[in-house]
Amino acid sequence: GAGVSQSPRYKVAKRGQDVALRCDPISGHVSLFWYQQALGQGPEFLTYFQNEAQLDKSGLPSDRFFAERPEGSVSTLKIQRTQQEDSAVYLCASSVGLAGDVSFGPGTRLTVT
Amino acid sequence: QKEVEQNSGPLSVPEGAIASLNCTYSDRGSQSFFWYRQYSGKSPELIMFIYSNGDKEDGRFTAQLNKASQYVSLLIRDSQPSDSATYLCAVKGGSQGNLIFGKGTKLSVKP
Repeated sequence: GAGVSQSPRYKVAKRGQDVALRCDPISGHVSLFWYQQALGQGPEFLTYFQNEAQLDKSGLPSDRFFAERPEGSVSTLKIQRTQQEDSAVYLCASSVGLAGDVSFGPGTRLTVT
Repeated sequence: QKEVEQNSGPLSVPEGAIASLNCTYSDRGSQSFFWYRQYSGKSPELIMFIYSNGDKEDGRFTAQLNKASQYVSLLIRDSQPSDSATYLCAVKGGSQGNLIFGKGTKLSVKP
C-alpha cells in the first residue's frame, strides 16, 4: 500500500513568509508525528496527534509553529513569519497506534532565505 | 530532559567486517528501542526494534539491549558498502507515542 506522503518536497521561502507543509499518513494510521531534522542532526520531535486530537505539542519551538489534523487523517504544519533557523527537513511519520512501528514520509526540505 | 546519545562517527569498517554501533539513553522509564537507517537525502527507515533485555537477531543485524546500563547497540555482520549510511537510535517511553532520537552515527563500509 501507499506510504506516508508529504508535499511539497522542497520549499524555498523568503524570511518573514508563512509556509504550510502537508502530510498524508498511511490509511488507518491513528498516530501522526511531526519531526524537524537539521543538517547533521537526528530528527527532533515537534508534535503528535492521535486521530484529530493534538496530544503533545511540547516540541514546537515557538508560537510561530502550528499544526492541525482536523479530520484525523491529513495534517498540516504551518510556520508563520519564517526565520533562517527554521531551515530544515520536516518529517512526518505515522503509526497504527502508540505501540506500532513508525513509518516516515520523504520529508519537506524548507530553505528560508 | 530525556536524551539519547550516540557517537557521531564516522565509523569506518572494511567490507565483510562487523560494524558495532552504540547508544545510551537517560530515561529509565523507556520501554522500546529502535534502530533506523538513513541514507543521505532520504528519510529514516526502520531496521530493528527491541523491547526486552538481551539480543535480537534479524539476518545480518543484531540488536542488544541492557536496561540496567541504559545501553542499546546494533551489530551489523558481513558489512557491505550498501550499509554505508547514518544509523539513528531512537527510544520510546511507556506512555508516550513519540520517539526520541540520537544524532546518529555515520557508518562507512569500504570495499
